[in-house]
Amino acid sequence: DSGVTQTPKHLITATGQRVTLRCSPRSGDLSVYWYQQSLDQGLQFLIQYYNGEERAKGNILERFSAQQFPDLHSELNLSSLELGDSALYFCASSVGGVGETQYFGPGTRLLVL
Amino acid sequence: AQSVTQPDIHITVSEGASLELRCNYSYGATPYLFWYVQSPGQGLQLLLKYFSGDTLVQGIKGFEAEFKRSQSSFNLRKPSVHWSDAAEYFCAVGAAGGSYIPTFGRGTSLIVHP
Repeated sequence: DSGVTQTPKHLITATGQRVTLRCSPRSGDLSVYWYQQSLDQGLQFLIQYYNGEERAKGNILERFSAQQFPDLHSELNLSSLELGDSALYFCASSVGGVGETQYFGPGTRLLVL
Repeated sequence: AQSVTQPDIHITVSEGASLELRCNYSYGATPYLFWYVQSPGQGLQLLLKYFSGDTLVQGIKGFEAEFKRSQSSFNLRKPSVHWSDAAEYFCAVGAAGGSYIPTFGRGTSLIVHP
């Protein structure tokens, strides 16, 4: 158990819908990272937050957004969902940000029908 | 931009045999290098990492990796594989300094035969 929690574990929704994925980092970690894992793209970095502020951006679509709240939990919002958004979404956390070990949550499996 | 190549999609070994998983990276300076393992239905777990110093890195679960700058490689090794090592293995490279954005390889699936 990494100490990172993600809810829900599974999510099934329809195209065009909007969903919110939630992540609670390890106690004391200030950085949260979001990743998408799919068969065709592999593991892709989406976005990083550090202590409430956006720190780095990767291959995140404009339909996706994230935020980190004062209690350091984070939410990833996916809107106007398409079939191709079906994937495993991982959250990871670290104490700081630069080159530190990231601890991954168990992931949320999203299926868009 | 940094990139990672894991040339082997699948590797099959017998239990007790030695293992080497290959990883080649592309990055202009000294990178941060990582190996992660993902068991079915689980998140990624860090096996080991290299930032600087000794090029032979020891990790958890009996794994080690060697950074070879001349070959741009960071291969993962284990002298004797156990059935529980069957999983997906990911190599990742991160930029040293600045905002850290890791790039992951496509992964190598390890199958262990009894």
